[in-house]
Amino acid sequence: AQSVTQPDIHITVSEGASLELRCNYSYGATPYLFWYVQSPGQGLQLLLKYFSGDTLVQGIKGFEAEFKRSQSSFNLRKPSVHWSDAAEYFCAVAFSNAGNMLTFGGGTRLMVKP
Amino acid sequence: SQTIHQWPATLVQPVGSPLSLECTVEGTSNPNLYWYRQAAGRGLQLLFYSVGIGQISSEVPQNLSASRPQDRQFILSSKKLLLSDSGFYLCAWRADTYEQYFGPGTRLTVT
Repeated sequence: AQSVTQPDIHITVSEGASLELRCNYSYGATPYLFWYVQSPGQGLQLLLKYFSGDTLVQGIKGFEAEFKRSQSSFNLRKPSVHWSDAAEYFCAVAFSNAGNMLTFGGGTRLMVKP
Repeated sequence: SQTIHQWPATLVQPVGSPLSLECTVEGTSNPNLYWYRQAAGRGLQLLFYSVGIGQISSEVPQNLSASRPQDRQFILSSKKLLLSDSGFYLCAWRADTYEQYFGPGTRLTVT
């Protein structure tokens, strides 16, 4: 079965520090990759997406992610974290042979220290 | 542009009472629609999805049901709520490029 793993359940970084959230997916058909952010009590907001082409994709709020096919990874990065980035982050994958469905990782909760 | 609405935003219901949550999408036609649930502190669980009017697929056995009476309306229902039905319910629609867009959610507390 297709799966998505976010190895870090919680991450704490200092404001202004860099951030990398990890995401790995099980090998399958061509993946379409996404990162979402969820603030407490709210729905999920799409940060960025990768379908093909340049493996480094830019998203909203200063986030970027890099697709590495050889590592089955799609890690999310931000060079300088702001206190407002504290939230839950979800990685999600759609496979070309099951495009109706998104498979979500378990999420990473980001806390930002002042 | 497309927007997705959910109501109510918050609901407190006693055990054994019925439930109806509504989701509507604007600005797109014949979207795939989805219901997810988040239990406290946990990830997303897909409950139902629909590819068209009257077409519902259930992903997990439960006492919830879903219906799609109109192209852009998706309803989640229960005849008798259980304590375990408490959670945050999210509706989403799928774009042609596979990403899903989520509504603001409904917080359900069953007492």
